[in-house]
Amino acid sequence: AQTVTQSQPEMSVQEAETVTLSCTYDTSESDYYLFWYKQPPSRQMILVIRQEAYKQQNATENRFSVNFQKAAKSFSLKISDSQLGDAAMYFCAYRAGGTSYGKLTFGQGTILTVHP
Amino acid sequence: NAGVTQTPKFRVLKTGQSMTLLCAQDMNHEYMYWYRQDPGMGLRLIHYSVGEGTTAKGEVPDGYNVSRLKKQNFLLGLESAAPSQTSVYFCASSSHRGARSNQPQHFGDGTRLSIL
Repeated sequence: AQTVTQSQPEMSVQEAETVTLSCTYDTSESDYYLFWYKQPPSRQMILVIRQEAYKQQNATENRFSVNFQKAAKSFSLKISDSQLGDAAMYFCAYRAGGTSYGKLTFGQGTILTVHP
Repeated sequence: NAGVTQTPKFRVLKTGQSMTLLCAQDMNHEYMYWYRQDPGMGLRLIHYSVGEGTTAKGEVPDGYNVSRLKKQNFLLGLESAAPSQTSVYFCASSSHRGARSNQPQHFGDGTRLSIL
């Protein structure tokens, strides 16, 4: 079974600074997708960024980027120019390709605090 | 654009009581999922459905039953609630095509359930 590990229960960053959230996963699949979700206090699950395993290029979405190291099975999220609105719980998630029916496996989550 | 709607948003039950959580999606998605979120454990899959009339067990199915009589609805039932089922419950949906690609699942806003 696949597992996803987020080893940082809590992280903090100063406004305008950069922070990196860690995520590692374990799988024997070669076809899979990785996601970062943001969960603010409202409980909404908001997609931040996604990465296809077959793509070597790291995904980028505005201030959010990933460092995808396929051999090391690592998928970290970098938030640049942090804003107060970035404060939330962040989840890393894995989805196998093929006939997995789209099921997601989540990490434990990292609470991000942004200090003004 | 309703997306995925969960009912109710909050509920308190006594041990041994039963209840049903309702999930409705208006995107004509084939796949639907129920997750539970607990502190330090992320989201874990309870049950899922790949089509009307079909259901399957996820990672933590014990104590729950589900039904998918209509394509747009996915019900999660607790027959005899236990304090260990105190959690936040999320419903999600995905198209068949989306589940085999980088398309994210669409999540509801969650139901906070407390069992006393």
